[in-house]
Amino acid sequence: GAGVSQSPSNKVTEKGKDVELRCDPISGHTALYWYRQRLGQGLEFLIYFQGNSAPDKSGLPSDRFSAERTGESVSTLTIQRTQQEDSAVYLCASSFDGGPPRSTFGSGTRLTVV
Amino acid sequence: AQRVTQPEKLLSVFKGAPVELKCNYSYSGSPELFWYVQYSRQRLQLLLRHISRESIKGFTADLNKGETSFHLKKPFAQEEDSAIYYCAISDSGAGSYQLTFGKGTKLSVIP
Repeated sequence: GAGVSQSPSNKVTEKGKDVELRCDPISGHTALYWYRQRLGQGLEFLIYFQGNSAPDKSGLPSDRFSAERTGESVSTLTIQRTQQEDSAVYLCASSFDGGPPRSTFGSGTRLTVV
Repeated sequence: AQRVTQPEKLLSVFKGAPVELKCNYSYSGSPELFWYVQYSRQRLQLLLRHISRESIKGFTADLNKGETSFHLKKPFAQEEDSAIYYCAISDSGAGSYQLTFGKGTKLSVIP
């Protein structure tokens, strides 16, 4: 594809339900990042993948959050037992060599927990 | 812990006027600083990074380690510069480009 693709673009879920957010990076990009942006806040780093490994998952806010990546491609961010404070835009980005994301952010998934 | 402060949430300037978007940071090592931009209905994208010492779309930013600042400047604002600008710092020493972002400044250029 031409860029980083995220799905769904919008997700409304009930408190306590689990959600899965998907990111398709640019083909060939080895590094993949997940960020979260709450309303009125800056982007918060969640997790970084190099290939299928996650050497840095320091930003995951709790054990309800997990992420995986397969085939050095698609990544899934899973939030279990969602809470209202999980409401945010979740952004994915990729880069070729582990460098900082350039024009390679996805358009995000807007998650609303009601 | 590293932190990025963008003191202005909103900034309005007239077309042709100079623009300065402020960014201050706290970091104990040797930081790498970036500016990202998000135009209306577009994705977040990298504008410039301090190590490149480049000028993109007329914008420049100089890292001032004494003042721990990385302000973004443009001498003459254009309407197409209206966007949200985020300052970010990386902890590349940790082996990844984990970016810490500021909360962003929304720039409105008045025609």
